[in-house]
Amino acid sequence: DAKTTQPPSMDCAEGRAANLPCNHSTISGNEYVYWYRQIHSQGPQYIIHGLKNNETNEMASLIITEDRKSSTLILPHATLRDTAVYYCIVRVDGNNRKLIWGLGTSLAVNP
Amino acid sequence: DTAVSQTPKYLVTQMGNDKSIKCEQNLGHDTMYWYKQDSKKFLKIMFSYNNKELIINETVPNRFSPKSPDKAHLNLHINSLELGDSAVYFCASSKSLANEQFFGPGTRLTVL
Repeated sequence: DAKTTQPPSMDCAEGRAANLPCNHSTISGNEYVYWYRQIHSQGPQYIIHGLKNNETNEMASLIITEDRKSSTLILPHATLRDTAVYYCIVRVDGNNRKLIWGLGTSLAVNP
Repeated sequence: DTAVSQTPKYLVTQMGNDKSIKCEQNLGHDTMYWYKQDSKKFLKIMFSYNNKELIINETVPNRFSPKSPDKAHLNLHINSLELGDSAVYFCASSKSLANEQFFGPGTRLTVL
């Protein structure tokens, strides 16, 4: 019952920008979009999150469309260490605020 | 000075046994979680504790029982292990239910 859809896999050349799309067409008004990544055999790692506005931190930028039905995670200069599965997640609003995880996008950064 | 730690990292056991996985966080967070990641890589929330109080309890068999002795610890005890329990179990913590989660390295459980 994931609320997001992502391409199963993507490739990116080292040093180039990686743009990872996510569709969340059924998102509700108060639901946040979160991005995490999971490097092979490790625990997931938080990247960034947003509600309506675009967000940027030291790891990535998050671009959310005006209608909030989709978003794009941008890794500006991908490195080999960015090879991972990237999860776009909608945080369900309410008392428990749980995260609904999908299968993510497996990003391969190539030399 | 690992932020969220789990023990053991690997656990291999026979069907029917009882086992525990321990989790500790040194981030001063109020909320802790247990997730299960199956062979298809789906990550599913099992339990969440906030200030030692159970907040989320998904449809998990009664054989799974979380215990939070204090805010820094959330252990998972599993009775009568079954083949289908084989998975990677991740512990996580966050400052509150509204904040980003920090994950442990995972415990790979294999039931034979």
